[in-house]
Amino acid sequence: DVKVTQSSRYLVKRTGEKVFLECVQDMDHENMFWYRQDPGLGLRLIYFSYDVKMKEKGDIPEGYSVSREKKERFSLILESASTNQTSMYLCASRGGRGPYEQYFGPGTRLTVT
Amino acid sequence: TQLLEQSPQFLSIQEGENLTVYCNSSSVFSSLQWYRQEPGEGPVLLVTVVTGGEVKKLKRLTFQFGDARKDSSLHITAAQPGDTGLYLCAGSPKTSYDKVIFGPGTSLSVIP
Repeated sequence: DVKVTQSSRYLVKRTGEKVFLECVQDMDHENMFWYRQDPGLGLRLIYFSYDVKMKEKGDIPEGYSVSREKKERFSLILESASTNQTSMYLCASRGGRGPYEQYFGPGTRLTVT
Repeated sequence: TQLLEQSPQFLSIQEGENLTVYCNSSSVFSSLQWYRQEPGEGPVLLVTVVTGGEVKKLKRLTFQFGDARKDSSLHITAAQPGDTGLYLCAGSPKTSYDKVIFGPGTSLSVIP
């Protein structure tokens, strides 16, 4: 079974702090994704990566950056956290390119105060 | 803009009842997935459908992909409290093969 793990289940940070969310997958998948999920808005894609050191902006990249130094690890960085970044953050991985299924981690509930 | 719409948004039923939730779009999708998400957890893949008219069964869950590949439905027979959760459909548009679009979800509550 594919396993996607996220570094924290719950996180509380202050406005202006730099926040790192880490995601690791164990199935040698090429593709990794970061989403945020908010009530009424569904899942929105922040960034994704097709390969090591490669990244592409999703639908809502503002205020975020990413890093993929190793194939299995994809990090989401909030350079200066703001209260409107309080959300559920979900990491996913997918093998190959095309219409293949995504496998999600358990999520990180981030609260910015 | 390619959108996936889901209906109903919320559904509360008694244990043992049957239900159907819908996923619709004006766009054609090359494939469509259904996920279930429990509170505080990430979505878990239930099924992928790729052929127009395809029907897949997973125990008490029946998934159908529309003939034109623009819509899908999920039917649950004899719902149980363990079916409670958020049901998400997600699709890869035919015109944007690598992109995945998620619907807003149907929140199902099955009351014992």
